[in-house]
Amino acid sequence: NAGVMQNPRHLVRRRGQEARLRCSPMKGHSHVYWYRQLPEEGLKFMVYLQKENIIDESGMPKERFSAEFPKEGPSILRIQQVVRGDSAAYFCASSRGDREKLFFGSGTQLSVL
Amino acid sequence: GESVGLHLPTLSVQEGDNSIINCAYSNSASDYFIWYKQESGKGPQFIIDIRSNMDKRQGQRVTVLLNKTVKHLSLQIAATQPGDSAVYFCASFVYNFNKFYFGSGTKLNVKP
Repeated sequence: NAGVMQNPRHLVRRRGQEARLRCSPMKGHSHVYWYRQLPEEGLKFMVYLQKENIIDESGMPKERFSAEFPKEGPSILRIQQVVRGDSAAYFCASSRGDREKLFFGSGTQLSVL
Repeated sequence: GESVGLHLPTLSVQEGDNSIINCAYSNSASDYFIWYKQESGKGPQFIIDIRSNMDKRQGQRVTVLLNKTVKHLSLQIAATQPGDSAVYFCASFVYNFNKFYFGSGTKLNVKP
């Protein structure tokens, strides 16, 4: 039973380019969360999605960032026109439902040059 | 709410000693709690969880204690080993916001 799969593991972008981060939840999980982490810091909530719905995007910047979790396929976190401050590790987590264990992927390390 | 943007406090223990990592939460609407371990360059890994109808739960070498009166959660690791060196996060599920909030984390450093 594969865990939460994130790709790519590392992503390098130049300022102004777009970054697309993918997350495939664990089998049977319909809830997906995205978190951002800077070195030596905690996990900052970005967005919570269920299939085809954004439940809570209160942690996501209003501009340049978007997320989706389509009926088929992985969840995508999209960052347009990246800036150096977007450099961070982005983690995805999935669960079967509310108040259920969150399982994390290995993260995508985004580096903006 | 969440504690973010804070640099991690560090707990240093001798190999073989017991470790206690603490976490305070602020929202009384929290009813489910999880401890995670994060090693360098990896994603957080589930260690143990506890629901608000319990005050203690034990796993293999780990115990979680929940004190709802003072909104405090602790993780006890028995006979700490070098492989336990990592950052430990607590997470609380807040039912009126319907999401998990994470603590800022504690770095555990095990000295051989």
